Amino acid sequence: SQQGEEDPQALSIQEGENATMNCSYKTSINNLQWYRQNSGRGLVHLILIRSNEREKHSGRLRVTLDTSKKSSSLLITASRAADTASYFCATDARMDTGRRALTFGSGTRLQVQP
Amino acid sequence: DTGVSQDPRHKITKRGQNVTFRCDPISEHNRLYWYRQTLGQGPEFLTYFQNEAQLEKSRLLSDRFSAERPKGSFSTLEIQRTEQGDSAMYLCASSFGEMNTEAFFGQGTRLTVV
Repeated sequence: SQQGEEDPQALSIQEGENATMNCSYKTSINNLQWYRQNSGRGLVHLILIRSNEREKHSGRLRVTLDTSKKSSSLLITASRAADTASYFCATDARMDTGRRALTFGSGTRLQVQP
Repeated sequence: DTGVSQDPRHKITKRGQNVTFRCDPISEHNRLYWYRQTLGQGPEFLTYFQNEAQLEKSRLLSDRFSAERPKGSFSTLEIQRTEQGDSAMYLCASSFGEMNTEAFFGQGTRLTVV
């Protein structure tokens, strides 16, 4: 089952514009992560934000976390054609056994037009 | 190259056959995950290991699927009596520590059941 849901499912912007993707999740978390996936490839970790953090930056990436709303956003500033990829949020969701496992949302497919 | 390798990269099999995939994680990583991903979807959690112990298995996972991680090193995922619905990309990832932190993904094994 998918823990998170990303919004929008697809996003098309022009190079230089900012791209914002949102993620909502269901269970309590210790951390939330964002990953990127180029077509037909494995996922690459972008950034991790802990449950006691509200905002984190890494280069052109800015992630926010609102645990009261169980939501996060990923902002990519000054987008480039090379940013074209699918982006997924992932959380250490609590499973039925009580243990936590890294589970992913359905993803946002970002297309950056040159 | 993340350091996680999967073999084979592609597998075509006839319905009803058994298949086995292998994953070699980063050597010092104690956590190993298996995911299944279909086109346009996010990775679906299948199972994870902490060292050699299989700690969690998705309740959606059919009894035809089994995974092992002998000696806490490489892992294998076997699918018995394959069905067309098993066609997907099977992703392996590994991470270090007790928490679900940054995971490193392999390139995946693409299974096609004909």
